[in-house]
Amino acid sequence: GQQVMQIPQYQHVQEGEDFTTYCNSSTTLSNIQWYKQRPGGHPVFLIQLVKSGEVKKQKRLTFQFGEAKKNSSLHITATQTTDVGTYFCAGEGGGTSYGKLTFGQGTILTVHP
Amino acid sequence: GAGVSQTPSNKVTEKGKYVELRCDPISGHTALYWYRQSLGQGPEFLIYFQGTGAADDSGLPNDRFFAVRPEGSVSTLKIQRTERGDSAVYLCASSLGGGRRPYEQYFGPGTRLTVT
Repeated sequence: GQQVMQIPQYQHVQEGEDFTTYCNSSTTLSNIQWYKQRPGGHPVFLIQLVKSGEVKKQKRLTFQFGEAKKNSSLHITATQTTDVGTYFCAGEGGGTSYGKLTFGQGTILTVHP
Repeated sequence: GAGVSQTPSNKVTEKGKYVELRCDPISGHTALYWYRQSLGQGPEFLIYFQGTGAADDSGLPNDRFFAVRPEGSVSTLKIQRTERGDSAVYLCASSLGGGRRPYEQYFGPGTRLTVT
């Protein structure tokens, strides 16, 4: 079945440093979504990428979807302590898998003030 | 407006018992999803409803797990003969639609199930 791998598992940064997490799917995706989960909380939707090579920005966050629609990345510029949490990518396979999201294992981001 | 709600927030049960977990989606959302999240892992897909019918139940681990959504709104996840390995946070999510057009999913706070 479809697998989504995410690296790194952990990332510790000083406030102000940049952060990137990478996501790779074993199969071509119809779309990819990114979620953030704060400690003790539930996943909260950040963004959705649908087109090959798509790049979207939200303030300090930049999301990319690969040309082959099998990989994606999230980059945060100048991290802040409010960025702390676990970032998940989640891929939707399409075909008979529409509606079914396969999540990566997440990247836990710690930001030291 | 109200978000996705789940009850109970915590459930402790003994091995072998039956449990029901409830999810109340956002009003007007036709799609509803159940996931299971173990510590340190991403949510694992269990089942997806479009309206009253299960559009994809390929994530249910075995026949001890069953879910219903009889009126296309509230859903119940039912687990029979619980095992210690069923301990996890069970998350419910809903979205405006589903199928070929992707929609963002809104997650509830989850039910933490502990099987002793």
